[in-house]
Amino acid sequence: QVQLQESGPGLVKPSGTLSLNCTVSGGSISGYYWSWIRQPPGKELEWIGNFYDSGSSNYNPSLKSRVTISVDTSKNQFSLKLSSVTAADTAVYHCARGKQWLAYWYFDLWGRGTLVTVSS
Amino acid sequence: QSVLTQPPAASGTPGQRVTISCSGGRSNIGKNPVNWYQRLPGTAPKLLIYSDNQRPSGVPDRFSGSKSGTSASLAISGLQSEDEADYYCAVWDNSLHAWVFGGGTKLTVL
Repeated sequence: QVQLQESGPGLVKPSGTLSLNCTVSGGSISGYYWSWIRQPPGKELEWIGNFYDSGSSNYNPSLKSRVTISVDTSKNQFSLKLSSVTAADTAVYHCARGKQWLAYWYFDLWGRGTLVTVSS
Repeated sequence: QSVLTQPPAASGTPGQRVTISCSGGRSNIGKNPVNWYQRLPGTAPKLLIYSDNQRPSGVPDRFSGSKSGTSASLAISGLQSEDEADYYCAVWDNSLHAWVFGGGTKLTVL
């Protein structure tokens, strides 16, 4: 059964870069799109962006200038980099798998999430 | 202000039928299919319904989804204690060019 597991530093300094990995176990990374979604404390879920199997990506316009999502198929892993972080980027970060049904996509599998705190 | 509006809380007794609403607009629910997720405490969100009313394999048929206009609903029939969780709706927004989520509904089984 396919599982997603986030990993990375739990504390990042302001103005630094947040870097997280998501390891896909029990299945292939091909044939899907791979996403990051976050939830700041007490706030709603926020989509960060997707990386498609084709190599293309799209990001939330509100974060686009600071986000990079990439995939390493050799490690069955995908990653998130968010630059110039502030306290507003403190959140639980989830990785998720996107699946296509007919013309539509949906997140069919999520990781449990990892808390990243931005603080000096 | 959330793009998608859900009631913050809902409750029911075992065996009862409960409905959770998700209200949006013409650029999201009015144009695209809605997905629903369940998050039990300390676990990863789980897909319950995709494309308005499709159930993934393994999800009990007690869970059903529907949509009308710019609102969607998740119904849970035969409520069980293990259904106590947070429920979220999600949909692509054509104006924001982003996935948007409801604020979540905390379901309590009394």
